[in-house]
Amino acid sequence: QPVLTQSPSASASLGASVKLTCTLNSGHTRSAIAWHQQQPEKGPRYLMKLNSDGSHSKGDGIPDRFSGSSSGAERYLTISSLQSEDEADYYCQTWGTGIRVFGSGTKVTVL
Amino acid sequence: QVQLVESGGDLVEPGGSLTISCEASGFTLSDYYMSWIRQAPGKGLEWVSYISGSGTSIDYADSVKGRFSISRDNAKNSLYLQMNSLRAEDTAVYYCARELYDYYDSSGFDDWGQGTLVTVSS
Repeated sequence: QPVLTQSPSASASLGASVKLTCTLNSGHTRSAIAWHQQQPEKGPRYLMKLNSDGSHSKGDGIPDRFSGSSSGAERYLTISSLQSEDEADYYCQTWGTGIRVFGSGTKVTVL
Repeated sequence: QVQLVESGGDLVEPGGSLTISCEASGFTLSDYYMSWIRQAPGKGLEWVSYISGSGTSIDYADSVKGRFSISRDNAKNSLYLQMNSLRAEDTAVYYCARELYDYYDSSGFDDWGQGTLVTVSS
């Protein structure tokens, strides 16, 4: 069964960059994931699918400021040139036969 | 454009039942797996159930197995979740989401609805 681990919070200054981490458990370290953004009081929004080799495909209208990368069991989401509207919760998600799994989410604060 | 619109959320007493719906537009529903995902107040996202495009493959989270039933009507562009024996801990916003799933690979949930609130309380 896949399990995803995320840090609860991250912060960075307006205009800076922040890198979020999602870690896959043993036995699932080559799995692809998806990243989702949830702004306050809104529904989730798909950002991208991220493969184990770091290749990724973004959703429609997702700015170039959002990028993904991978290393071993770690999957990363980097947000460059942080803007106020990037203050949100970010969830990673993966899948298996008979199951879909979310990480616990990382709250990003823009200082 | 793609739209997913949930409806049917309500206040229900513990032990009661409720069916919520998701109407899809802007894409061919039968091409997609569909899921229900919920979010309790102040908590993270929890996957609840999925159904394949043809409806032949279905699965549930352990927390709702035996109480919830997912179904779809592709001709009506609609997805449903029948919820029985509701508990206080089922209180959440319920989202529908679509995914392209084939040969054990997925796109992830690439479009979401805006959610419908289900409150279980006496």
